[in-house]
Amino acid sequence: EVQLMESGGDLVQPGGSLRLSCATSGFTFSDYYMDWVRQAPGKGLEWVGRSRNKANNYTTEYAASVKGRFTVSRDDSKNSLYLQMNSLKTEDTAVYYCARHVCHSGRCYASDIWGQGTMVTVSS
Amino acid sequence: DIQLTQSPSFLSASVGDRVSITCRASQGISSNLGWYQQKPGKAPNLLIYAASTLQSGVPSRFSGSGSGTEFTLTISSLQPEDFATYYCQQVNSYPLTFGGGTKVEIK
Repeated sequence: EVQLMESGGDLVQPGGSLRLSCATSGFTFSDYYMDWVRQAPGKGLEWVGRSRNKANNYTTEYAASVKGRFTVSRDDSKNSLYLQMNSLKTEDTAVYYCARHVCHSGRCYASDIWGQGTMVTVSS
Repeated sequence: DIQLTQSPSFLSASVGDRVSITCRASQGISSNLGWYQQKPGKAPNLLIYAASTLQSGVPSRFSGSGSGTEFTLTISSLQPEDFATYYCQQVNSYPLTFGGGTKVEIK
């Protein structure tokens, strides 16, 4: 069974740092692009960032709202995705989801598998 | 950035109704659009990708259409389990973006 499980969410003060993890199983992790998506309380979905797969040199993309503060990384040997969050702001408060994204032959389609999410609260 | 505008933002309907949700893109995105369903406290669930392709395991009452800048998600006969919030997402260019969501509630 394909599974994604996020961890690492916590209460952190503004300006602080946090590292989220996404443990995966049931598929060949190194073949897939992986995304982080967040959802502030009572709000809609916001794409945060992406790690491309091994074949695309693990390159990354970010939303403007987190660029320079957040870093997406992965460890294919551990089938895990990470989100390092620095200089956290109150507006970063959200549930953070990791999601597997399906791409073939240079075209990407959609995120077909999602984790259950982990809550990050930024408050003093 | 490509903006996605969903309408309506709220929809009240009865079991058995045919309902349609529109997603308009601020610029052409070909067929690079997906639709997701989200229930309270749960992760999103993929319904449609490439604008009109039904994800495996999704009931056939869901369908998608459109290309370019205008897209539609249709539920042919609304079932009790379909009451949820629906989001479109464009995957044509970075940053990826989502529509604001459409909440479908019971009339």
